Amino acid sequence: KNQVEQSPQSLIILEGKNCTLQCNYTVSPFSNLRWYKQDTGRGPVSLTIMTFSENTKSNGRYTATLDADTKQSSLHITASQLSDSASYICVVSATGAGSYQLTFGKGTKLSVIP
Amino acid sequence: NAGVTQTPKFQVLKTGQSMTLQCAQDMNHEYMSWYRQDPGMGLRLIHYSVGAGITDQGEVPNGYNVSRSTTEDFPLRLLSAAPSQTSVYFCASKLAGVRYGELFFGEGSRLTVL
Repeated sequence: KNQVEQSPQSLIILEGKNCTLQCNYTVSPFSNLRWYKQDTGRGPVSLTIMTFSENTKSNGRYTATLDADTKQSSLHITASQLSDSASYICVVSATGAGSYQLTFGKGTKLSVIP
Repeated sequence: NAGVTQTPKFQVLKTGQSMTLQCAQDMNHEYMSWYRQDPGMGLRLIHYSVGAGITDQGEVPNGYNVSRSTTEDFPLRLLSAAPSQTSVYFCASKLAGVRYGELFFGEGSRLTVL
């Protein structure tokens, strides 16, 4: 069964500090991995999309990495801001007929405090 | 550009009542889908459609019906609401046939069944 595990479940950091969120997956065959940001009471918004051949992708202060061999991804947030407080969801897509069916992680809830 | 629009944002139903959650997108996306999000769980796929007249079941389809008569609209019908259907529902769309296309989400519809 395809699975996506995220850690930690929740995280509290001080404003201005860096943090790293983890995502491990067992989706096969792998097509791509996406990180989404979901503000409280809002829909998820895409941060990055990474394919098999990509190791790193940045979007401003957000940098995602992918190790397809170990089936791990991380999302690094640099110089955190209060507006980074949100849930971050890792989503993995398989190739072939299952490409329309995505496997979602449960998310990591990040709280940035002053 | 409105993107994906969901209505209503909030709804309270009594057990046994029926209702329809509306979803519309203006991006000419062939693929549309409905998810539910419950505390402590990842987003779960209810139904999806890859074009007008074509629908298929996702992971948790029981108790829900869908239809796709136009490219723009993808309503989700609850036939006889149950307390277990209390959840936040998200509609999402993407271009079909674009392998790494981004999934765009609506803002969600929060449903409470008493």
